[in-house]
Amino acid sequence: QKEVEQDPGPLSVPEGAIVSLNCTYSNSAFQYFMWYRQYSRKGPELLMYTYSSGNKEDGRFTAQVDKSSKYISLFIRDSQPSDSATYLCAMSEQANSGYALNFGKGTSLLVTP
Amino acid sequence: GAVVSQHPSWVICKSGTSVKIECRSLDFQATTMFWYRQFPKQSLMLMATSNEGSKATYEQGVEKDKFLINHASLTLSTLTVTSAHPEDSSFYICSGRTEAFFGQGTRLTVV
Repeated sequence: QKEVEQDPGPLSVPEGAIVSLNCTYSNSAFQYFMWYRQYSRKGPELLMYTYSSGNKEDGRFTAQVDKSSKYISLFIRDSQPSDSATYLCAMSEQANSGYALNFGKGTSLLVTP
Repeated sequence: GAVVSQHPSWVICKSGTSVKIECRSLDFQATTMFWYRQFPKQSLMLMATSNEGSKATYEQGVEKDKFLINHASLTLSTLTVTSAHPEDSSFYICSGRTEAFFGQGTRLTVV
């Protein structure tokens, strides 16, 4: 079993819809959880960064972490065509520079006008 | 925010030749940088951890003699793919410091 599981999609939604993206993981030592957006042939761009369980909101984006279920989510409200990209979840046991990230496969999202 | 610049953004090379990819931290000093590889529709897989002034740490299954990493200064790490083969064609990405910031990536195509 891979440490981080993420449905690759693709996920297609109409403009304005609420998008829900999810990842599950098996390593209970993960404490830091991140969501990245990646456009084709580009490096990942950090969207959200959360520590331990709870919710974090930033504009149209909300990240949720449920450590008891080993489940994290990213919600996108009022989705826009410009949100079309691949969304990667990532997590780490520690936050300092000595620890690399464990990535999900990424979910491809298409928001249609 | 911290900026990581990666160069080149794409390269095409002949099988058997070597290719060098540079990763620079523009506004911070990076004692550690990470090199990832991403195949189409796959996740980012960590290849190696680059340590300034010392040897890189390679992940299991990554050939250290094939993927040479040099981290000679606090702002520059390089990845050299030696004797490249078509199966090395991939998207290579570096990241620095807290892993929150990634380079733009390098698309390598070996023909």
